[in-house]
Amino acid sequence: RKEVEQDPGPFNVPEGATVAFNCTYSNSASQSFFWYRQDCRKEPKLLMSVYSSGNEDGRFTAQLNRASQYISLLIRDSKLSDSATYLCVVNKAGTALIFGKGTTLSVSS
Amino acid sequence: DAGVIQSPRHEVTEMGQEVTLRCKPISGHDYLFWYRQTMMRGLELLIYFNNNVPIDDSGMPEDRFSAKMPNASFSTLKIQPSEPRDSAVYFCASHRDHKRGDTQYFGPGTRLTVL
Repeated sequence: RKEVEQDPGPFNVPEGATVAFNCTYSNSASQSFFWYRQDCRKEPKLLMSVYSSGNEDGRFTAQLNRASQYISLLIRDSKLSDSATYLCVVNKAGTALIFGKGTTLSVSS
Repeated sequence: DAGVIQSPRHEVTEMGQEVTLRCKPISGHDYLFWYRQTMMRGLELLIYFNNNVPIDDSGMPEDRFSAKMPNASFSTLKIQPSEPRDSAVYFCASHRDHKRGDTQYFGPGTRLTVL
């Protein structure tokens, strides 16, 4: 089983839609969780950290379920500029980040 | 701060040639990471350093790959000899500490093509 698994998509949605991405991780000792965004031919950049209680940043909501080893990202009111690849990332304290292969989102007008 | 700096941004070389990729981390960051990204395999960690010391190089694909960090502001990733299957985007990243919630900052990457 891969350490971090994501549905690669692509997810094709119209502007204004709500879209959700899911991710599972295999190592129950993982301690920190993130969503990164990567635009085409660019470097990954942190979108948001994911906290146990769930957290929201504008149109973006991230949730963590430690029991199921599952992380989600919800994007409301999708914009054209949200088109990108979203990488699920976990970190076990003392080691490097482990990246999923990403989920591609395409938002169309 | 200028962010993580990588050079060159693009490299095209022929099979068998030596390739050297360079990285300057963000000042004050104690950790430096080298990643490789391909469509097939995604983003893979090759090696990382803490305070200039290599900590985990288990991701380095084979002996043709080597990495050094002679000081806190400079690291190199060398491939000798290069092969077509080494074609990928190579990212360098840095961060301050491994405390929870800390994030990595990536450089713009070096797009390597080996013919």
